[in-house]
Amino acid sequence: QSALTQPPSASGSPGQSVTISCTGTSGDVGAYNYVSWYQQHPGKAPKLMIYEVTKRPSGVPDRFSGSKSGNTASLTVSGLQAEDEADYYCSSYADSKNWVFGTGTKVTVL
Amino acid sequence: QITLKESGPTLVKPTETLRVTCTFSGFSLSTSGVGVGWIRQPPGKALEWLALIYWDDDKRYSPSLKSRLIITKDTSKNQVVLTMTNMDPVDTGTYYCAHLGGGLSLDYWGQGTLVTVSS
Repeated sequence: QSALTQPPSASGSPGQSVTISCTGTSGDVGAYNYVSWYQQHPGKAPKLMIYEVTKRPSGVPDRFSGSKSGNTASLTVSGLQAEDEADYYCSSYADSKNWVFGTGTKVTVL
Repeated sequence: QITLKESGPTLVKPTETLRVTCTFSGFSLSTSGVGVGWIRQPPGKALEWLALIYWDDDKRYSPSLKSRLIITKDTSKNQVVLTMTNMDPVDTGTYYCAHLGGGLSLDYWGQGTLVTVSS
């Protein structure tokens, strides 16, 4: 199975919004509502930000939201803050009964 | 409070076998629905899902690495072990273990352990 496709980079000014796409296939993103998003700061372990496409774990700001249409999932960060600058990875459950990660997107706060 | 911590060698030689251990607390791998997964990340590159083991000993492997991976659990020790054979320099990276949470997400992660493959 191939990695899910994400744009290498995205950016926005403080207070603006940024949306990251995650494109898979009908065998992963398109087949299941088990899409998750992870935030990773340099030298740190990934942190779960969104699960089941749209749900936020306790403690994650509501500035983070997720959606899905067909084979593409998206993560939107509204009201960008300096601490949102990080790498973001999507992940999906797949037909092969395992998981696949995205290629990763570096978000820069200008 | 769920915590996980990886341990293992920091340096392995090409063709050798890697064995990394995930020691966890705050949950039991004998509880229905619980799972622990392994993920790796080469320096400066993306995350890659490797394997996962469920409470009932159901095991899942990355199709591309399946022939080289074995995942096992020791419920009494609260540990999950990942074995990877025939290591190559391209396997260099940080190896993470994580708890399987709601929606088949990975909701708690260890700090990771850096493994370098070099002669």
